Amino acid sequence: RKEVEQDPGPFNVPEGATVAFNCTYSNSASQSFFWYRQDCRKEPKLLMSVYSSGNEDGRFTAQLNRASQYISLLIRDSKLSDSATYLCAVGGQTGANNLFFGTGTRLTVIP
Amino acid sequence: GAGVSQTPSNKVTEKGKYVELRCDPISGHTALYWYRQSLGQGPEFLIYFQGTGAADDSGLPNDRFFAVRPEGSVSTLKIQRTERGDSAVYLCASSWDGQGTQYFGPGTRLTVL
Repeated sequence: RKEVEQDPGPFNVPEGATVAFNCTYSNSASQSFFWYRQDCRKEPKLLMSVYSSGNEDGRFTAQLNRASQYISLLIRDSKLSDSATYLCAVGGQTGANNLFFGTGTRLTVIP
Repeated sequence: GAGVSQTPSNKVTEKGKYVELRCDPISGHTALYWYRQSLGQGPEFLIYFQGTGAADDSGLPNDRFFAVRPEGSVSTLKIQRTERGDSAVYLCASSWDGQGTQYFGPGTRLTVL
């Protein structure tokens, strides 16, 4: 079983739509959670960290459910510029500093 | 300030050859990571340095892969006897202390013919 699993999509949504991505992780000892954005042929860039209390940054909201071992990302009022692949990353297992990434979910926002 | 830089941006080599990939982390970052990303997949951890030492090399796929960071800054990932399956984008990331946010470089796209 993979450490982190994501629906690869693709998700094709119209401008202005709300879209949500989920990601599940297998190691209950995980302590840190992130969403990264990756544009085609570019490196991953941190979109936001995910905290137990949930956190919001403009149109983006991230939530963590430790009991069910999943994290989510909600994008409201989608823009064309949101088209990218969204990677969830999980890390911080005791003694480990590396991140485990999902396969990424591809989002295309359509005019 | 300057981000993580990696050279070369692209490397094409023949099966069986030796390659070196270089990473220059953000100045002052003590932690450095190497990941490998194949098409359609997320980055896969290879090795983590804290300072000069490899704190975790559990992700290296086999003994053809080796990495060094002799002065605690620049790191080189070395691949011996390359195979076609080694073709991927090799990403380097750094963080302030090994606990904080990891910032990625642009990657080196390795193609083994």
